[in-house]
Amino acid sequence: QSVLTQPPSVSAAPGQKVTISCSGSSSNIGNNYVSWYQQLPGTAPKLLIYDNNKRPSGIPDRFSGSKSGTSATLGITGLQTGDEADYYCGTWDSSLSAQVFGGGTKLTVL
Amino acid sequence: QLQLQESGPGLVKPSETLSLTCTVSGGSISSSSYYWGWIRQPPGKGLEWIGSIYYSGSTYYNPSLKSRVTISVDTSKNQFSLKLSSVTAADTAVYYCARRSPPDAFDIWGQGTMVTVSS
Repeated sequence: QSVLTQPPSVSAAPGQKVTISCSGSSSNIGNNYVSWYQQLPGTAPKLLIYDNNKRPSGIPDRFSGSKSGTSATLGITGLQTGDEADYYCGTWDSSLSAQVFGGGTKLTVL
Repeated sequence: QLQLQESGPGLVKPSETLSLTCTVSGGSISSSSYYWGWIRQPPGKGLEWIGSIYYSGSTYYNPSLKSRVTISVDTSKNQFSLKLSSVTAADTAVYYCARRSPPDAFDIWGQGTMVTVSS
């Protein structure tokens, strides 16, 4: 079982918006920065969001991140078929002294 | 731009030691502020952080793997390495090396290398 909880799957139609949640605790999300990763089939994860809501250079503003208390959310607008991927949240857990990830969410663009 | 590349055997026998190396190109592993890490992903499963190292040699490991893991760095070769001892089938996974940018994001990843534990 992952320390961070994500829904196993989400789906939406092209052009629509979707959100992916990541739930944790005060020892991880509540007091540390959250990052989000996109993993396209057969490829390495790619950083989408860091420091809760910042986008690396080259990541379109269709992707956004937010954090409130012990939960974080990834938002994707204007969905494209190319967005079909697994998405992971990650952060530091101060109690475990370990980097932790969510179990991943599979996004299907119908 | 900075690139990371994993290398090592794709097949390891049970009870033996898994050894992988990550070569950093396009930049220096001795850059301040960055840690360098290993993350793995069993087939069809999620990501698991193994451990990270600073160019000075300072390390920190996943408590669940700490007794079996050693991560080292060779700044002269711009490489860092992973050793995982006493492997079992549960250690079969794609192993990624990645750069950790402060405070807590893995911003550059290698392509990954599949390691199978089997006799």
